[in-house]
Amino acid sequence: GNSVTQMEGPVTLSEEAFLTINCTYTATGYPSLFWYVQYPGEGLQLLLKATKADDKGSNKGFEATYRKETTSFHLEKGSVQVSDSAVYFCALSDTGFQKLVFGTGTRLLVSP
Amino acid sequence: NAGVMQNPRHLVRRRGQEARLRCSPVKGHSHVYWYRQLPEEGLKFMVYLQKENIIDESGMPKERFSAEFPKEGPSILRIQQVVRGDSAAYFCASSYTQGDTQYFGPGTRLTVL
Repeated sequence: GNSVTQMEGPVTLSEEAFLTINCTYTATGYPSLFWYVQYPGEGLQLLLKATKADDKGSNKGFEATYRKETTSFHLEKGSVQVSDSAVYFCALSDTGFQKLVFGTGTRLLVSP
Repeated sequence: NAGVMQNPRHLVRRRGQEARLRCSPVKGHSHVYWYRQLPEEGLKFMVYLQKENIIDESGMPKERFSAEFPKEGPSILRIQQVVRGDSAAYFCASSYTQGDTQYFGPGTRLTVL
């Protein structure tokens, strides 16, 4: 079945450091890929998405490229801020776009 | 624009009681999804509903759990005879059409004593 694997956290960085959170997936067909962010005590917010191979999703300085050949959708940001501290979830939509399959989440901690 | 609304935000129940979780989708959205997040885990799909219809309940436990999305009013996730293992955050999401981006509510955190 479909699955998403994310790097384990927590990821601890200093402000202005470069961020990469790895995400790989297993899926049949051609899923859409998503990154969601969850701030403490809140629900999930869509951060970015990509719907086909080689698409790049970007938002708020974050970006991720849909790589079909490596089945990956790694999240990157050039310079993180303390306010980026949150849990980041990689997800895919299954064929038929009915349900999202999530990774286990990666906690990011950014210190001043 | 109001996003997805869920209530209550926090719910405490004793073992054996019933829990009712409500979800009002984004105005104009007719597709609702429920997910469960156990502590320190990712979200797991439970059920997908359109107005008055259950489309996919493959992630829903076979017993004690039920969901509805009536023609009028919010979607309801109902858990009968709760047990400690039901303690989790339950998130609702909605979309305009099938295949469209899902927008999430703030969740209901259920604690079973």
